[in-house]
Amino acid sequence: DTEVTQTPKHLVMGMTNKKSLKCEQHMGHRAMYWYKQKAKKPPELMFVYSYEKLSINESVPSRFSPECPNSSLLNLHLHALQPEDSALYLCASSQLDLVSYNEQFFGPGTRLTVL
Amino acid sequence: GIQVEQSPPDLILQEGANSTLRCNFSDSVNNLQWFHQNPWGQLINLFYIPSGTKQNGRLSATTVATERYSLLYISSSQTTDSGVYFCAVEDAGNMLTFGGGTRLMVKP
Repeated sequence: DTEVTQTPKHLVMGMTNKKSLKCEQHMGHRAMYWYKQKAKKPPELMFVYSYEKLSINESVPSRFSPECPNSSLLNLHLHALQPEDSALYLCASSQLDLVSYNEQFFGPGTRLTVL
Repeated sequence: GIQVEQSPPDLILQEGANSTLRCNFSDSVNNLQWFHQNPWGQLINLFYIPSGTKQNGRLSATTVATERYSLLYISSSQTTDSGVYFCAVEDAGNMLTFGGGTRLMVKP
């Protein structure tokens, strides 16, 4: 099973709302990632969790707050977003156990619109 | 960081035609992946290919790590092949950097 699931599929929120995106994988992977993709652009890395610890934060604004409750779950808490934060948010996971093999698998994404 | 360039940026094919997509990268990489992003945004893994050649049906890929490039071959293209093809490389810090993508349209 190489499935990463994300909920919700679509989200519309106002600039004063608080919402959360959820990602789940059951492949036993030990690394999980959040990416942001704007229209007609490639995905850009936001955060990396390795063994449930935040290992990379690519200078993301504090209105995005990641959380890794356990090795299978990854959340992205959203607060006071701006319209320019509207994008497709992708979650991915990878094995990370083997030095020479770290294929990343992506979820279907959450399409976020900030009004 | 590593720079990843893909060419061509856009490609229009007639159904049944063959094509080659190229990915150049600026530094040594641990790994390289090719993805197909469908119109709904899902990134589908095509190949995990840090070096060598692999084939999967009508698709094949070759990575020449010493010369810092990878090629994706699509043969006998079908309309369902339409979408965006991304190359992504992983550096020593396990960070995946994507190229700009090749937007492919296959016409019936």
